[in-house]
Amino acid sequence: DIQMTQSPSSLSASVGDRVTITCQASQDISNYLNWYQQKPGKAPKLLIYDASNLETGVPSRFSGSGSGTDFTFTISSLQPEDIATYYCQQYDNLPLKITFGQGTRLEIK
Amino acid sequence: QVQLVESGGGVVQPGRSLRLSCAASGFTFSSYGMHWVRQAPGKGLEWVAVIWYDGSNKYYADSVKGRFTISRDNSKNTLYLQMNSLRAEDTAVYYCARDAGEPLGELSLYFDYWGQGTLVTVSS
Repeated sequence: DIQMTQSPSSLSASVGDRVTITCQASQDISNYLNWYQQKPGKAPKLLIYDASNLETGVPSRFSGSGSGTDFTFTISSLQPEDIATYYCQQYDNLPLKITFGQGTRLEIK
Repeated sequence: QVQLVESGGGVVQPGRSLRLSCAASGFTFSSYGMHWVRQAPGKGLEWVAVIWYDGSNKYYADSVKGRFTISRDNSKNTLYLQMNSLRAEDTAVYYCARDAGEPLGELSLYFDYWGQGTLVTVSS
């Protein structure tokens, strides 16, 4: 099974800071990596799909990069409304399996 | 607009059964794959199951295989999760989510719309 290691598990940053979260796969997953934002008490929201594609309607300060085993999620300028937990998610077709990272809790400093 | 509304959660004793429903609206339900994803209290997300748009294929996480069954009724725009032999570790908020793939096409295996979730508590 493919294991996903997301880091850090928590992060404190100031408004306007550049924030980076990483996700590492235990084997090559090409670009089959997505990123979600979950605010407390709410359902997750898709932000980035296939490693680097911005979902429609998502602000451009969010971005993703990487391929193979190493992936990065970036908020270019942190806003107060970005306080949330962020998850990476990978998928594998053979056999079909979908796995989330452990999550990164982002707080305002 | 796309809406997914889960129902059927509650408190159930270990070993008993429960059926969750997810009512879909605002899109052509019969054209999309659908998933169940759960989140234990204070924990991360765990994918549970997927069903193809026409019900032809179903896949499950190892943790629920043989105990849970995903199904759908396209005439009622409703997704189901039948949960049998429930265990304490099945306690979670259960979300239904739409697969982001093209209508009637290959599944993308990620999720573009989510319901608000329904809480299942397994406790004696």
